[in-house]
Amino acid sequence: AQSVSQHNHHVILSEAASLELGCNYSYGGTVNLFWYVQYPGQHLQLLLKYFSGDPLVKGIKGFEAEFIKSKFSFNLRKPSVQWSDTAEYFCAVSGGSQGNLIFGKGTKLSVKP
Amino acid sequence: NAGVTQTPKFRVLKTGQSMTLLCAQDMNHEYMYWYRQDPGMGLRLIHYSVGEGTTAKGEVPDGYNVSRLKKQNFLLGLESAAPSQTSVYFCASSYGPSGGGYEQYFGPGTRLTVT
Repeated sequence: AQSVSQHNHHVILSEAASLELGCNYSYGGTVNLFWYVQYPGQHLQLLLKYFSGDPLVKGIKGFEAEFIKSKFSFNLRKPSVQWSDTAEYFCAVSGGSQGNLIFGKGTKLSVKP
Repeated sequence: NAGVTQTPKFRVLKTGQSMTLLCAQDMNHEYMYWYRQDPGMGLRLIHYSVGEGTTAKGEVPDGYNVSRLKKQNFLLGLESAAPSQTSVYFCASSYGPSGGGYEQYFGPGTRLTVT
């Protein structure tokens, strides 16, 4: 069965610090990978996704993620976080052409001004 | 476009009561989904639909039923609510399957408390 692991439950950073959130998945076949963000009191919205091609994916608001197939990883990065990045971040994977999304448990990011 | 809307936003039920959550989308999406979000658990798929008139079970379907009589609507029913169903419920829709790389668009959520 597919699964997604997000190793960091809560990350606290100061503004301008660099961010890397880990995401590992277990699935042996072709996968599609997504990062969603949930700002306080709001619904989930897509940050970025990997479907095929360049394993380095750029998303909205300066976020990027790198798909490393050999490590089954899709880590999210941002070189300099802002207070407005305070949110919960979810990694999700879909395996196979008809697969549904499997979400990780989420990582809460708190950015101190 | 309103996107994905959910009704109601909040609800408190007593154990054993029933209710229906309504999800509506105006993007002409084929696929619709119901998730529940619990602290520390992420989102878990309850039921989904790949088109009008179809439904399928997700990861945690027990205690819930769904219907997709119209393409734009996806209803989630709780026949006999239990405290374990206290959660935030999110509806989502997409043009195609996530396995095809299609993004899911989420509604604002319904916070349900069962006492």
